[in-house]
Amino acid sequence: GDSVTQMEGPVTLSEEAFLTINCTYTATGYPSLFWYVQYPGEGLQLLLKATKADDKGSNKGFEATYRKETTSFHLEKGSVQVSDSAVYFCALRKPGGFKTIFGAGTRLFVKA
Amino acid sequence: KAGVTQTPRYLIKTRGQQVTLSCSPISGHRSVSWYQQTPGQGLQFLFEYFSETQRNKGNFPGRFSGRQFSNSRSEMNVSTLELGDSALYLCASHEGQGEAKLFFGSGTQLSVL
Repeated sequence: GDSVTQMEGPVTLSEEAFLTINCTYTATGYPSLFWYVQYPGEGLQLLLKATKADDKGSNKGFEATYRKETTSFHLEKGSVQVSDSAVYFCALRKPGGFKTIFGAGTRLFVKA
Repeated sequence: KAGVTQTPRYLIKTRGQQVTLSCSPISGHRSVSWYQQTPGQGLQFLFEYFSETQRNKGNFPGRFSGRQFSNSRSEMNVSTLELGDSALYLCASHEGQGEAKLFFGSGTQLSVL
């Protein structure tokens, strides 16, 4: 079945460090790919998305590129801040489908 | 626009009881999805509804059920609660059938003692 695999956390970085969180997926067809972020005590919120191969999603300094050939959608940010500390979820959804599949989540800690 | 509202925010129950959780989607959104979030299992898909019809169901026992009303509000019910049902239950609304972008509520934290 369809699935999403993320790198295990937690990831601990110092402020202004470069961030990469790896995400790979298994799915038939051409799913849309997403990154969601969850801050403590809150629900998830959409960070960015990409709907077809080679699309780059970006928001708040975060970027991810839909790589069909490697079935990947890695999240990157050039300079993290303490306020980026949260749990990040990679997800996929097929066009016309009725289910969004999430990875296990990666917790990020950013130290001042 | 008001966001997705889930009630109650916290709930404590004992084994064997049943519980009903409520979700009010963003105004105009006709689809609602439910997820169970636990530290060990991440987000597990429970159901997705559109226009009062269940469009998909996850791999959960029959004790987990849900419904959607004509105003798009949704409820989920868990009967005969077990300790392992302790989790954060998240509801998400989306604009239309199959619409990909989800808007989440803050969740209902259920503790089963």
